[in-house]
Amino acid sequence: NAGVTQTPKFRVLKTGQSMTLLCAQDMNHEYMYWYRQDPGMGLRLIHYSVGEGTTAKGEVPDGYNVSRLKKQNFLLGLESAAPSQTSVYFCASSFGLYYEQYKQYFGPGTRLTVT
Amino acid sequence: SQKIEQNSEALNIQEGKTATLTCNYTNYSPAYLQWYRQDPGRGPVFLLLIRENEKEKRKERLKVTFDTTLKQSLFHITASQPADSATYLCALTHGGYQKVTFGTGTKLQVIP
Repeated sequence: NAGVTQTPKFRVLKTGQSMTLLCAQDMNHEYMYWYRQDPGMGLRLIHYSVGEGTTAKGEVPDGYNVSRLKKQNFLLGLESAAPSQTSVYFCASSFGLYYEQYKQYFGPGTRLTVT
Repeated sequence: SQKIEQNSEALNIQEGKTATLTCNYTNYSPAYLQWYRQDPGRGPVFLLLIRENEKEKRKERLKVTFDTTLKQSLFHITASQPADSATYLCALTHGGYQKVTFGTGTKLQVIP
């Protein structure tokens, strides 16, 4: 099993450009999450999904959109990138149905710089 | 407002001693509390999960306690080793089990 994979690993964007980050998991997990991690701020939840075809807003959703068309994939889109979106982005997944299944498995992260 | 606080940004401890990390929260009613380890440049890795009705959980050299009255969790690493050096994050599962909110983490350095 590959676990949780993220594409790309690094990206540099100019202000106003758009891009999509892809997260894929091969563990048949129901729940998937997108976080951003900034120095001194910890991990902050952007959007999450509790099943195929569903999405919900997290703590810092502005400027981002998501889609979960297939159970194994969770896409994070930036329509018009801003320097404030420079961050490390982590995707995570969990079974989300019972007790220990709420533990999250994280991907390796995508380091995004917006100039 | 809702807040999760981890006791300090950094904690230095001598090898072989017990490291104790604190996680305090306000204005949450978590169903579960989780602890993760994060190494530089890597994603967090799950360590332990404890339910609101559990007082203590152990796994090898790790122990976590959960006091919903004090709104606090303590995370202990006994017989600490330099390989335990990392940032440790606590996280609350809440919002009908769907949302997870993380603390900012404590960077632990175990000195040989």
